[in-house]
Amino acid sequence: KAGVTQTPRYLIKTRGQQVTLSCSPISGHRSVSWYQQTPGQGLQFLFEYFSETQRNKGNFPGRFSGRQFSNSRSEMNVSTLELGDSALYLCASRRGDQQTQYFGPGTRLLVL
Amino acid sequence: GESVGLHLPTLSVQEGDNSIINCAYSNSASDYFIWYKQESGKGPQFIIDIRSNMDKRQGQRVTVLLNKTVKHLSLQIAATQPGDSAVYFCAENVLTGNQFYFGTGTSLTVIP
Repeated sequence: KAGVTQTPRYLIKTRGQQVTLSCSPISGHRSVSWYQQTPGQGLQFLFEYFSETQRNKGNFPGRFSGRQFSNSRSEMNVSTLELGDSALYLCASRRGDQQTQYFGPGTRLLVL
Repeated sequence: GESVGLHLPTLSVQEGDNSIINCAYSNSASDYFIWYKQESGKGPQFIIDIRSNMDKRQGQRVTVLLNKTVKHLSLQIAATQPGDSAVYFCAENVLTGNQFYFGTGTSLTVIP
């Protein structure tokens, strides 16, 4: 079974721009969670989607948004990028009725 | 808020020795725990999990111990190898529909 995939793997943007990241979960997994990982803050939860609905949300500003499609693929959008948004963005998937969560390789975003 | 903390940020061990990585959690209601391994430039990789109705679980060269009385989790790696060098995270979860909370991570370095 293929693992969680994320595209693109690397991205360079400038301040003020917006970015969209994509995540395809493991087949059969209906839950997708997004995390931001930085050296100083570690892994921070952004939000979780399940069956196209946001189920949980972390403490990030409204510039961070997401959505999930009917095939469980998810996208995350960050608008008006700031330098501090430079990070590794990880998505993780799990079956809706199970707790075991698996991560993708991440998208490395650099904001200049 | 939730708090999952690691006792030691770095750990160095000789190749062939056993490694023990510790984790403290704060939510006594957490019923599921995962250990992840993250190598440089990659996403976290699932290692082993344990439910709160268990005290110990073994995998290949790894053992997770759970002490609910003191809210402590540990990961033991037997015969540590250079390929085990990575950052190790513990994560806790309460019920399927809730988010995971992650520790800051312990960096394990294996000395050949």
